[in-house]
Amino acid sequence: AQSVSQHNHHVILSEAASLELGCNYSYGGTVNLFWYVQYPGQHLQLLLKYFSGDPLVKGIKGFEAEFIKSKFSFNLRKPSVQWSDTAEYFCAVKQTTDSWGKLQFGAGTQVVVTP
Amino acid sequence: DGGITQSPKYLFRKEGQNVTLSCEQNLNHDAMYWYRQDPGQGLRLIYYSQIVNDFQKGDIAEGYSVSREKKESFPLTVTSAQKNPTAFYLCASSVLYPGEAFFGQGTRLTVV
Repeated sequence: AQSVSQHNHHVILSEAASLELGCNYSYGGTVNLFWYVQYPGQHLQLLLKYFSGDPLVKGIKGFEAEFIKSKFSFNLRKPSVQWSDTAEYFCAVKQTTDSWGKLQFGAGTQVVVTP
Repeated sequence: DGGITQSPKYLFRKEGQNVTLSCEQNLNHDAMYWYRQDPGQGLRLIYYSQIVNDFQKGDIAEGYSVSREKKESFPLTVTSAQKNPTAFYLCASSVLYPGEAFFGQGTRLTVV
């Protein structure tokens, strides 16, 4: 069964620090990849997505992610975080060769940015 | 406004009772999903549907049931067989491919 692994469950960092959140998936076929964010008290929002083409994708709010196919990874990065980036971040993977297209999520990473 | 509407936002039920959570979308999406969110466990897939009148079990379908009689609607029933039903439930929808999902605001179910 496909699984999605996020390496860090909790990350605490100071404003202006750089952020990198790891995501690995186990499925060997073609996939679509996503990062979602859930700010306190708000619903899940899409940060960025990868379907094909350039493996380095840019999303909203200065976030970017790099798809490394050989490593089955899709790590999220932000060069300089702000207090408003405090949120929970979820990696998600959707199989494209499976006709039912299950969209599966990792366990999430809680990020706390201190002033 | 286009989007996904989940109702109610908060729901309380007595143990042993079935309860149905509503999810409606007006995005004309073919695919719909139900997830359960628990602290530290992320979003776990309960059921998903790619077409009307058909749906598939996700990873934690036991104790839940769904129907997809209309494209816009995908209600989830939490049955008395679900051993630990208290949780936050999220509904989502997407086009089939590439499949970016849009989420509702969620329903927090508390069983007492």
